[in-house]
Amino acid sequence: AQKVTQAQTEISVVEKEDVTLDCVYETRDTTYYLFWYKQPPSGELVFLIRRNSFDEQNEISGRYSWNFQKSTSSFNFTITASQVVDSAVYFCALLTGANNLFFGTGTRLTVIP
Amino acid sequence: GAVVSQHPSRVICKSGTSVKIECRSLDFQATTMFWYRQFPKQSLMLMATSNEGSKATYEQGVEKDKFLINHASLTLSTLTVTSAHPEDSSFYICSASGWGAMNTEAFFGQGTRLTVV
Repeated sequence: AQKVTQAQTEISVVEKEDVTLDCVYETRDTTYYLFWYKQPPSGELVFLIRRNSFDEQNEISGRYSWNFQKSTSSFNFTITASQVVDSAVYFCALLTGANNLFFGTGTRLTVIP
Repeated sequence: GAVVSQHPSRVICKSGTSVKIECRSLDFQATTMFWYRQFPKQSLMLMATSNEGSKATYEQGVEKDKFLINHASLTLSTLTVTSAHPEDSSFYICSASGWGAMNTEAFFGQGTRLTVV
């Protein structure tokens, strides 16, 4: 069975603080892809990152960084020096061989000025 | 990345009428399109998967006759909500994947907020 768990429903941080959003996934497939999307209040989904199951290298893009660990089936997302514009719902998703995206329930991040 | 355009972004309709939502892939051939529904403060729930030229595959609990999906070309899929009721009010979002769009990635439309009054 495929499953994505985002245990943190809501997180509030003060501007400039670092914050980590957790994502744990389950799949029996050996080849899969993991994604993070941002959904601002306007509703559209903004693609942030895609990683394949064979690439465990951590990635940094500006204030964003991702930690992929197959041993714990986790793909956590860290925002450094958070800003008010980071306030949104963030979804972690899993893409398997069936070409179907499984979404976590999302984490609502509020950055307080 | 590839571009998926969804139209309309917002629609208000009367109960009992039908509403059509379009999803277009603008710069790639979408062999597969997905339709999701999102209730307020909830995650995206897959409604159906459609492959170009064939019938859509619906997820359990999704009424085929109520949510008609057509994927007649490699660039267009439509979702028609028939005989809409207030409980159909929701945010509907499509995604597309296919050749030219790195088959391992789905690109999302902007979403359609449907309100049935």
